[in-house]
Amino acid sequence: AQSVAQPEDQVNVAEGNPLTVKCTYSVSGNPYLFWYVQYPNRGLQFLLKYITGDNLVKGSYGFEAEFNKSQTSFHLKKPSALVSDSALYFCAVRPRGTDSWGKLQFGAGTQVVVTP
Amino acid sequence: NAGVTQTPKFRVLKTGQSMTLLCAQDMNHEYMYWYRQDPGMGLRLIHYSVGEGTTAKGEVPDGYNVSRLKKQNFLLGLESAAPSQTSVYFCASSPGVGQGEETQYFGPGTRLLVL
Repeated sequence: AQSVAQPEDQVNVAEGNPLTVKCTYSVSGNPYLFWYVQYPNRGLQFLLKYITGDNLVKGSYGFEAEFNKSQTSFHLKKPSALVSDSALYFCAVRPRGTDSWGKLQFGAGTQVVVTP
Repeated sequence: NAGVTQTPKFRVLKTGQSMTLLCAQDMNHEYMYWYRQDPGMGLRLIHYSVGEGTTAKGEVPDGYNVSRLKKQNFLLGLESAAPSQTSVYFCASSPGVGQGEETQYFGPGTRLLVL
């Protein structure tokens, strides 16, 4: 069975410092990997995805994520955090294949708190 | 271009009542999904649709029904609401195969409280 783990319920970081949100997964094959962000009382917004190619993926709002196949990880990073980055971040994984539309699995989410 | 919209934004039901949540998308997406979000559990898929007139069960389908009579709409029904269905419900859609179908776009959510 596939699974997604976000080991930290909350990450606290000072504004201007680097931000890392961790994600590891257990899915057979080479899955699609995603990061979404949820601001209070809002729906999820797509940040970035890994499909193939370069292990470092760049996304919206200055975020990037590094795919590590050997460690089955897809950590989200931002070099310099902003207070406005405070939100709930979800990692998600989906197996490849045209029969896997209903198999996007989300992690439990990591709350990011950026203090001024 | 409104993207994915959901109606209503918030609803309170009594146990045993029924209701329908409406999701609409104006991006001509083939695939649509209903999720529920509960604290500490991420999002869990209830039902999904790969095209007009087709639906399939997700991870937590019990107590819910869906219909996709038109490509742009995906309805989620609760026939007899239970307190365990108190949650935030999100609709999502994604393009067809070869058009970026792997990326889902989410609506703003519907908060449902069942007393």
